Amino acid sequence: GAVVSQHPSWVICKSGTSVKIECRSLDFQATTMFWYRQFPKQSLMLMATSNEGSKATYEQGVEKDKFLINHASLTLSTLTVTSAHPEDSSFYICSARTQSDRINTGELFFGEGSRLTVL
Amino acid sequence: QKEVEQNSGPLSVPEGAIASLNCTYSDRGSQSFFWYRQYSGKSPELIMFIYSNGDKEDGRFTAQLNKASQYVSLLIRDSQPSDSATYLCAVNEGYSTLTFGKGTMLLVSP
Repeated sequence: GAVVSQHPSWVICKSGTSVKIECRSLDFQATTMFWYRQFPKQSLMLMATSNEGSKATYEQGVEKDKFLINHASLTLSTLTVTSAHPEDSSFYICSARTQSDRINTGELFFGEGSRLTVL
Repeated sequence: QKEVEQNSGPLSVPEGAIASLNCTYSDRGSQSFFWYRQYSGKSPELIMFIYSNGDKEDGRFTAQLNKASQYVSLLIRDSQPSDSATYLCAVNEGYSTLTFGKGTMLLVSP
């Protein structure tokens, strides 16, 4: 399958600081990337849909000013958690869909995930 | 609101047995269905997808879809301890993103 790389895998930060997470599609171009958040023993919750060259579409209840998403190229999307607080501690996972004829499958390939701990 | 329901488990099976994982969905317009496996602390990895009613087999895995009943299942034959993980059912309608169930934890004992 397609490869999606996410960095960093682990990050610990102090409350009030900002953290940036990168998501890269390594062997394909992704016009659309998705950012999920997963709390312990919970399912994946979609935060936002990131579209290359345009503003991200946020799910209800997700603060767009707190979770800044940039999708400047077809292979890179970034999520910045601004003024992080302990309740933002979670597992953040990006995913991307290929542009080939397989797009109709809705198949998603996931990054490795980034575990954020806010002290 | 689209919903995907799974029994949280854990589902415990002995090594070599068949594990049966079930999933129901609420949106009759759903077109494609996915099973992901997620090990603790890791991101999900795609196991199988299915679009048509019936069975689809891939190695030890068989996905079954019944659109009339809005039901999709995953059978794992000859279960191995390495199959122990949480299995996520996901449903997609056209080009929209996936809606995930909460997952079923599978434990395969040696």
